[in-house]
Amino acid sequence: QVHLQESGPGLVKPSETLSLTCAVSGQSINSGYYWGWIRQPPGKGLEWIATAYHAGSTYFNPSLTSRVTISVDTSKKQFSLNLSSVTAADTAVYYCVRSVYYGSGIYYHYFDSWGRGTLVTVSS
Amino acid sequence: SYDLTQPPSVSVSPGQTARITCSVDALPKQYAYWYQQRPGLAPVLVIYKDTERPSGIPERFSGSSSGPTVTLTISGVQAEDEADYYCQSVDSSGTHVVFGGGTKLTVL
Repeated sequence: QVHLQESGPGLVKPSETLSLTCAVSGQSINSGYYWGWIRQPPGKGLEWIATAYHAGSTYFNPSLTSRVTISVDTSKKQFSLNLSSVTAADTAVYYCVRSVYYGSGIYYHYFDSWGRGTLVTVSS
Repeated sequence: SYDLTQPPSVSVSPGQTARITCSVDALPKQYAYWYQQRPGLAPVLVIYKDTERPSGIPERFSGSSSGPTVTLTISGVQAEDEADYYCQSVDSSGTHVVFGGGTKLTVL
């Protein structure tokens, strides 16, 4: 059974870059699964950020794409998120997720395993 | 844009059937997925590809699709089912994920 664990600073200053890492255990990160990030502002709904494959494919939320990078490090069995130029609106619980993606004629893209989430607050 | 519309809240008594709808405002309609989020916990996938149930999810959870509306049905609701439920799909490109605003299910 896959286990996902987020790590990173809980407090980031405005205009700086938010960086999070997700450690994957219980399964190879080189498998056919994709890996991604979803966030949830306090008291609000879910927002997809990005999804990536170990071989290089990446997909981004159009509203965040200019500020987001996502990468998969197979040697360390982890994947990472960088979100630049953060503001208070980026304060949220950030979840790392295992993604199921298929995109050829019929599309599916969903999240079958979630980390526990980590709260990141943007404040000076 | 590609929007998913859910009712903000649904209330049912224990043992009754809860139905949570999710309306899609664009075509072609893609598969829908449903997540349960209990307070303070991470979401859990309860339905995928409109009607499929992951292993470990109770049989009382089912999904259906008709036209622009997908529905999560919880039969014989239990107190433990009180949670927020989110529908999710992808836009017409198949790559961009969209979530509904969530529905708070209250078990009276």
